[in-house]
Amino acid sequence: AQSVTQPDIHITVSEGASLELRCNYSYGATPYLFWYVQSPGQGLQLLLKYFSGDTLVQGIKGFEAEFKRSQSSFNLRIPSVHWSDAAEYFCAVGFLSGSARQLTFGSGTQLTVLP
Amino acid sequence: DADVTQTPRNRITKTGKRIMLECSQTKGHDRMYWYRQDPGLGLRLIYYSFDVKDINKGEISDGYSVSRQAQAKFSLSLESAIPNQTALYFCATSDSSGDRTGKNIQYFGAGTRLSVL
Repeated sequence: AQSVTQPDIHITVSEGASLELRCNYSYGATPYLFWYVQSPGQGLQLLLKYFSGDTLVQGIKGFEAEFKRSQSSFNLRIPSVHWSDAAEYFCAVGFLSGSARQLTFGSGTQLTVLP
Repeated sequence: DADVTQTPRNRITKTGKRIMLECSQTKGHDRMYWYRQDPGLGLRLIYYSFDVKDINKGEISDGYSVSRQAQAKFSLSLESAIPNQTALYFCATSDSSGDRTGKNIQYFGAGTRLSVL
């Protein structure tokens, strides 16, 4: 069965710092990978996705993530954290269920940004 | 206006009450999903519907039921609410045309925060 692990439950950084949020997945086939962000009081917004091709993917707000098959990872990098980046971040893997893709989510990483 | 709208945004109810959460979408997607989010557990799938006549149980369907009234509407019911159903509930949609490439993307509503006392 597929699974997603986000080892960091809560991270606190200062504004302007760079940051990497970790995501490891377990899936027996080619994974489709996603990062979503949930800002306070908001729904989940898709940040970026990996389907195939270039293993370094760019998303909104300058975020990027790198797929590393050998490490079963899809870590999210934020080059310079802004106060507005404080949110909960979810990694997800898309897996085949019948003919359709479903999602399995990690437990999330809560990001706090200090001024 | 939001593409995926959930109502209500917040609800407090009592144990044993019946409650319905509603979701409507203007994205024209054929697939709709209900998830619940609990702290430290991420999102877990309750039910999903691939079209109006195709409804499937997800990982944690016990205690819930759903109705797909139209392609754009998918409601979640708690027939007799209990306190451990206190959670944040999300509706999501996707387009089956992504199956050909495997590039399905799910789009989420803003969530309904439910408290069962």
